[in-house]
This record gives sequence, C-alpha cells and structure tokens, in this order.
Amino acid sequence: GAGVSQSPRYKVAKRGQDVALRCDPISGHVSLFWYQQALGQGPEFLTYFQNEAQLDKSGLPSDRFFAERPEGSVSTLKIQRTQQEDSAVYLCASSRDRSYEQYFGPGTRLTVT
Amino acid sequence: QKEVEQNSGPLSVPEGAIASLNCTYSDRGSQSFFWYRQYSGKSPELIMFIYSNGDKEDGRFTAQLNKASQYVSLLIRDSQPSDSATYLCASVTSYGKLTFGQGTILTVHP
Repeated sequence: GAGVSQSPRYKVAKRGQDVALRCDPISGHVSLFWYQQALGQGPEFLTYFQNEAQLDKSGLPSDRFFAERPEGSVSTLKIQRTQQEDSAVYLCASSRDRSYEQYFGPGTRLTVT
Repeated sequence: QKEVEQNSGPLSVPEGAIASLNCTYSDRGSQSFFWYRQYSGKSPELIMFIYSNGDKEDGRFTAQLNKASQYVSLLIRDSQPSDSATYLCASVTSYGKLTFGQGTILTVHP
C-alpha cells in the first residue's frame, strides 16, 4: 500500500504569509506526528494526534503554529505570519495504534524569504 | 543539555570496517530507543529499536543499551559505501513521541 504522503514537497513563502502543509498518513494509522527538522539537526517534535484528538502540542514553537486532523486521517499543519526561522523541513509520521514503528513521509521543505 | 546527545561527527571509516555510533540520554525514565538512518534529502527510516539492557543484533547491525550509564550505541559491521548517511538516535515515550539527537554523519569510503 501507499506510504505517508505530504504536500507540497517544496514551499517558498514570503515573510508574513500563511502556509498550510498537508499530510496523508497510511490508511488506518491511528497515531500521527509532526516534526520540524532544521538543517543539520535531528527532527524536533511538534505535535501528536490520536485519531482526531490532538493529545500533545507541547512542541509547537509559538501560537502561529496550528495543526488539525478533523476526521482522524489527513492532517494539516498551518503556520501563520511565517518568519525566517520557520524555514525547515516539516516531517509527518504515522503509526498503527500505539505501536512504536513510525513511518515518515518525504517531508515539506519550507523556505521563508 | 539536550535530552539525547550524539557526536555529530563526521565519522569516516573504510569499507569493511566496523562503524561505532554513540548516543547518551539524560532522562533516566527513558525506556526505549530507536536508531534511524537518514540519507541526504530523504526522510528517516527505522533501522532498529532496543528497550532491554544488553545487545540486540539484526544482520550487520548491533544496538547496545546500558541504562546504568544512560548510553546507547549502534555498531555497523562490514560497513559499505551505501551505509553513508546520517544516523539518528531517538528516545521514545509511551505513546510514540520521538526525541532525537542531532545525528551523526557517517561516511564509508571505498
């Protein structure tokens, strides 16, 4: 079956613009995670969903970041009023229930100019 | 201090040698650890996980965990140029949240 997909793969935004990043998890996967990976660093946790419930959003860096998963499948990460420090790769991962193996999508590379 | 620390390298080994990648963690409550491999421009892919003290072997890979020393390592035997990548160590919570180290760049030269 298909893996985790993300769109767009690349996004260039002018500072101050709003962006929306989409994640399509593997079908039937209950858990969904968003991570932010800056150049040369390991991924950093942003937020976690179990089905449609956002159970942990402790990693969201500011109130400009917002994530949703309204029907428990597709998730959207929205960044309002983008800043240069938001430039990074945004990775989505999903896993079946509480099993530990997370499958990562290809990521969205966001560049804020 | 970061929760999970890795030597960022780069680590360079000749083809056929053993590559040793190390990771320390600060949270004594951490129970399980993953090793991911990430090729340049690609997403992380899981190599191994370990949750018990001692060694766990899978093919050319051996993960080692020492909870008393808060130390995790990954050994790659018979290293191949295709093993050249960034290796990420991560601790995992009960619901799957991963806390990654900064990654170690490994280069295997022919």
